[in-house]
Amino acid sequence: GQQVMQIPQYQHVQEGEDFTTYCNSSTTLSNIQWYKQRPGGHPVFLIQLVKSGEVKKQKRLTFQFGEAKKNSSLHITATQTTDVGTYFCAGLNNNAGNMLTFGGGTRLMVKP
Amino acid sequence: NAGVTQTPKFQVLKTGQSMTLQCAQDMNHEYMSWYRQDPGMGLRLIHYSVGAGITDQGEVPNGYNVSRSTTEDFPLRLLSAAPSQTSVYFCASSPGLLGEQYFGPGTRLTVT
Repeated sequence: GQQVMQIPQYQHVQEGEDFTTYCNSSTTLSNIQWYKQRPGGHPVFLIQLVKSGEVKKQKRLTFQFGEAKKNSSLHITATQTTDVGTYFCAGLNNNAGNMLTFGGGTRLMVKP
Repeated sequence: NAGVTQTPKFQVLKTGQSMTLQCAQDMNHEYMSWYRQDPGMGLRLIHYSVGAGITDQGEVPNGYNVSRSTTEDFPLRLLSAAPSQTSVYFCASSPGLLGEQYFGPGTRLTVT
């Protein structure tokens, strides 16, 4: 079945440093979504990418969708303590049923 | 709008007991789904529904049943609880397959 892998699993950064998490799928995706989950909370939608090579920005966050639509990345510039949480990617493969498959997540910890 | 609500927030069961986790949404979303979240495993899809009267299995459906008699409600039934079902359960809804998923606050279930 479809697999979505995320690396790294954990990342410790000093406040002000940059952070990147990578998402790789075993199959071509129709779209990719990114979510953030604060400790003790529930996942909250950040963004969706649909087009090959698409790049979207939200303030300090930059999201990319690979040309082959099998990988994606989330980059945070100059991390802040408010960025702490786990970041998940989730991909939809229309050829593999109507299921959104989540990656294992990257837990970001920021030292002030 | 209350969004997605889940009850109960916490539950402790003994092995072999059955129970129903409730999920309701007031956004008139067609697509609803149930996930379980275990440490280091991300979110795994249990069952999903693309509309009232239609349900389908996700990645880890064994030991769980669902029904969707109305657009608003999507209960998850544990038939005979096992310690392996100890997890945090999230319900989510979205306007469609390509839409943002709205997650409920979660139910933390412990099976002893």
